[in-house]
Amino acid sequence: EIVLTQSPGTLSLSPGERATLSCRASQSVSSSYLAWYQQKPGQAPRLLIYGASSRATGIPDRFSGSGSGTDFTLTISRLEPEDFAVYYCQQYGSSTRTFGQGTKVEIK
Amino acid sequence: QVQLQESGPGLVKPSQTLSLTCTVSGGSISSGDYYWSWIRQPPGKGLEWIGYIYYSGSTYYNPSLKSRVTISVDTSKNQFSLKLSSVTAADTAVYYCAREDIVANIPVAFDIWGQGTMVTVSS
Repeated sequence: EIVLTQSPGTLSLSPGERATLSCRASQSVSSSYLAWYQQKPGQAPRLLIYGASSRATGIPDRFSGSGSGTDFTLTISRLEPEDFAVYYCQQYGSSTRTFGQGTKVEIK
Repeated sequence: QVQLQESGPGLVKPSQTLSLTCTVSGGSISSGDYYWSWIRQPPGKGLEWIGYIYYSGSTYYNPSLKSRVTISVDTSKNQFSLKLSSVTAADTAVYYCAREDIVANIPVAFDIWGQGTMVTVSS
């Protein structure tokens, strides 16, 4: 099973700042199979990025994804108040799906 | 637009079977373009994929839960269901149903989620 490790666990930033979230896989993941989700308290996760770098429908362009192999990154170029949330990466491999443990982006 | 809604008991006794249903509205579960999954999240913790079903009835389960999980589909009702047997307190979680997009037989991502339903395992 591929294990995804996200860092940092918590990111404390101010609105307007840039957020860089990391997702590292225990073995190589096809870029086609890496996605990012945003979850706010009491809500279901929302798809942000699929295929490592493609934005889902309706996602603002301040969200971008990059990476390949074992290292992937989600970048939020300028944090808006509604962006403070928990972010998860997720991969598909060998018919199994796994999620990272999440990164919380909190207001500094 | 497509919406998913989970339903089922919020309280299950230890050693019993947890049963949940996901109703799909605004679209057909029989579309060959999607897998239909269950995902759970213990309180304050991360997400765990449980398994999926295709409209044809084919399934794949998380190996860590495989011995206790059954996912079934009822295309006439546009629903799919989860059964998790021999539950313990560790199975207490919010359970989500989700649609997974498929492109060229390759799963892409979970693009639509239900709101989730809390299930507590307690006597």
